[in-house]
Amino acid sequence: DVKVTQSSRYLVKRTGEKVFLECVQDMDHENMFWYRQDPGLGLRLIYFSYDVKMKEKGDIPEGYSVSREKKERFSLILESASTNQTSMYLCASMWDPSGNTIYFGEGSWLTVV
Amino acid sequence: AQKVTQAQTEISVVEKEDVTLDCVYETRDTTYYLFWYKQPPSGELVFLIRRNSFDEQNEISGRYSWNFQKSTSSFNFTITASQVVDSAVYFCALSELNTGNQFYFGTGTSLTVIP
Repeated sequence: DVKVTQSSRYLVKRTGEKVFLECVQDMDHENMFWYRQDPGLGLRLIYFSYDVKMKEKGDIPEGYSVSREKKERFSLILESASTNQTSMYLCASMWDPSGNTIYFGEGSWLTVV
Repeated sequence: AQKVTQAQTEISVVEKEDVTLDCVYETRDTTYYLFWYKQPPSGELVFLIRRNSFDEQNEISGRYSWNFQKSTSSFNFTITASQVVDSAVYFCALSELNTGNQFYFGTGTSLTVIP
């Protein structure tokens, strides 16, 4: 079974703090994704990566950056957290883009106060 | 424009009732893939099914069934004899071959099964 692991399930951070959300997958998947989930808005893509050190902006990249130094690990960084970044963050991975299934981690609930 | 529409925001049914979750999609690609995911209260999205655009055959898996109709651009999901454990948010998603990295998700339907 594919396993996507997000390091933190629940975080509370202060406004202005730098926040790291870590994600690791164990299936040698090429593609990794970070989504944000908010009520009524569904899942919105923040960034994705199709290879080590490669990244592409998704629909809402503002205020976020990412890092993919190793194939199995994809980190989401909030340089200076703001209250409007309070949300559920979901990491996902996929073998290749040809209609393959995307697999999700358990999610990280971030609260910025 | 929304590529995947789940018009039902919330649905409540009594246990053992059947329930259908609607999904309408929009694409110009001839090759695309449709998915359903379940998100229980724990938060993780669990993959349920994947269909490609060339296979309109309906599928049944236990109490779950899916009705794919290209003529109406719909991919509806029916739960037969619902159970409390079916309570979750269900997401429909579209992946187009030409934009392979992108998944387009609907806004989800929250299903509550009342015992």
